[in-house]
Amino acid sequence: GQNIDQPTEMTATEGAIVQINCTYQTSGFNGLFWYQQHAGEAPTFLSYNVLDGLEEKGRFSSFLSRSKGYSYLLLKELQMKDSASYLCAVLPGDRGSTLGRLYFGRGTQLTVWP
Amino acid sequence: GAVVSQHPSWVICKSGTSVKIECRSLDFQATTMFWYRQFPKQSLMLMATSNEGSKATYEQGVEKDKFLINHASLTLSTLTVTSAHPEDSSFYICSASTGSPVFGSGTRLTVV
Repeated sequence: GQNIDQPTEMTATEGAIVQINCTYQTSGFNGLFWYQQHAGEAPTFLSYNVLDGLEEKGRFSSFLSRSKGYSYLLLKELQMKDSASYLCAVLPGDRGSTLGRLYFGRGTQLTVWP
Repeated sequence: GAVVSQHPSWVICKSGTSVKIECRSLDFQATTMFWYRQFPKQSLMLMATSNEGSKATYEQGVEKDKFLINHASLTLSTLTVTSAHPEDSSFYICSASTGSPVFGSGTRLTVV
């Protein structure tokens, strides 16, 4: 089966930096996504990593280590609007992965305080 | 960019009735779509893979006779929750891929 773990909750203050970790054990690997989801809404795409290393996009960065089955999402200069659930999702190494079948972690609820 | 349209955005139905949810790919063809379910404060759980012109593939533990999936065209997949019960109340989301998954806006189902 697929096993994807991430912390349930995190809190931080405005302007701070927060790192959300994700570990995975899947049957093969074809990439890892990070999504942001506000309550009652669909997930919105943040990042995609398939090779080891750091991908930076403005205030958000994502890191991947395939040998360790590990990724993190780094959020800098936190704002109140960043309060949301952050989902780690893996494309496993089967045919379904090429078509977009994702397996999600349970999500990390981030609360940003003023 | 690619858009997936999902309707309705919310629906309330009586226990025992059936509800149909539509998922359309706009401006692109999707031979495969995916249906997910999300309970409150939980993550998205893959329910099934919808295949155009053939039977859907269901994940373990998902009742295929209860969650009917039809993918009759290259741009439309439907999920019908049959004989709905309160425990089926959830957020249902579809997705399609153009190289990267694109999600519909989701449907909040409440069964009373």
